[in-house]
Amino acid sequence: DAKTTQPTSMDCAEGRAANLPCNHSTISGNEYVYWYRQIHSQGPQYIIHGLKNNETNEMASLIITEDRKSSTLILPHATLRDTAVYYCIVRAQGKLIFGQGTELSVKP
Amino acid sequence: DAGVIQSPRHEVTEMGQEVTLRCKPISGHDYLFWYRQTMMRGLELLIYFNNNVPIDDSGMPEDRFSAKMPNASFSTLKIQPSEPRDSAVYFCASSQQERIQPQHFGDGTRLSIL
Repeated sequence: DAKTTQPTSMDCAEGRAANLPCNHSTISGNEYVYWYRQIHSQGPQYIIHGLKNNETNEMASLIITEDRKSSTLILPHATLRDTAVYYCIVRAQGKLIFGQGTELSVKP
Repeated sequence: DAGVIQSPRHEVTEMGQEVTLRCKPISGHDYLFWYRQTMMRGLELLIYFNNNVPIDDSGMPEDRFSAKMPNASFSTLKIQPSEPRDSAVYFCASSQQERIQPQHFGDGTRLSIL
């Protein structure tokens, strides 16, 4: 079973920041938080990962709470092409265990 | 750089036939993963290899499924005999290090068993 909990769906206005939450209250000290997304009929795409510090790359920012029990993926300026299912994954024993993810709809 | 390449992109075949899915990982990647995605079960890991050796095949549904990696640049997933419930999208992914580095996915093979 997935070790994360995410909202089933979210909407975001184009050009605004999209903040996608994830709960992982049973995360272990050496487990990383990964975010992937899947645009319809494509393979999952890696976005970002982190252990305990906040991370930023060209795609997004990852904010991890101090107790590491939750995190937020931030897409700073969402575009229509960011419409996808976003998966938050706690990497256990080297495997990626995908949950149901959050279906993000970016609207004009 | 070329990403993970899967073939065919689509496969339609009749129940009982042998199906072979192919994957070429990213050059230099040590790990290769096979996943299956269905509406009911989501995205599931079937098997993964490290340096061409199968490490964990606990996700392979049954003996009808087999996977091989004869060299660092090629892997196959076979289903024999195929059944309608095997219809799904099958993804291959590769990574440089299993534990930390991100996995890069191909675009998948959409398999339909009639």
